[in-house]
Amino acid sequence: DAGVIQSPRHEVTEMGQEVTLRCKPISGHDYLFWYRQTMMRGLELLIYFNNNVPIDDSGMPEDRFSAKMPNASFSTLKIQPSEPRDSAVYFCASSLGWGQGSAFFGQGTRLTVV
Amino acid sequence: KNEVEQSPQNLTAQEGEFITINCSYSVGISALHWLQQHPGGGIVSLFMLSSGKKKHGRLIATINIQEKHSSLHITASHPRDSAVYICAVFGAGSYQLTFGKGTKLSVIP
Repeated sequence: DAGVIQSPRHEVTEMGQEVTLRCKPISGHDYLFWYRQTMMRGLELLIYFNNNVPIDDSGMPEDRFSAKMPNASFSTLKIQPSEPRDSAVYFCASSLGWGQGSAFFGQGTRLTVV
Repeated sequence: KNEVEQSPQNLTAQEGEFITINCSYSVGISALHWLQQHPGGGIVSLFMLSSGKKKHGRLIATINIQEKHSSLHITASHPRDSAVYICAVFGAGSYQLTFGKGTKLSVIP
């Protein structure tokens, strides 16, 4: 397996535009996590899914953020409209089971909103 | 909300030294996660544990549930171990994840 694949690796967009980040988890993994990392706040968990169902989205900062997982092999994180304070690195991770092993991280998407 | 404290914040070691990074938390948890973030930004999950001890190569993670404390040990440290090590805890009875601020480790040849 190629690991967790995120796209794009870098995204620069103007304030007010819609941004969609994509993630392909490792095949067979039943948990998928979206994280955000900034200098100010460090790593934060935004939302996670179990078997394609969102379990906890309390980390999603506001209604401008939404995440979907239409099937076991694909998830999106959408920001609409984007703001400069959304600039961060967004990581996706997947794992098999809860607390039974390690999670595997994608390389991240560096988002810059100007 | 769980408070997660890591120590030290920064650590410089000579190659070959034994290294310990500590993580303390304030409220009971269901599991604790150790992550490694390389200078390039990539994140690797090292361990997830809820009791006892786990070992992988030169890395050892221990957790003491009663004392609300975990340690990450690196034996025979190497410059390639240079990274930021992050502790994160999952709340007991909830799925909230709280991160520590990280420990920046530099191993000098």
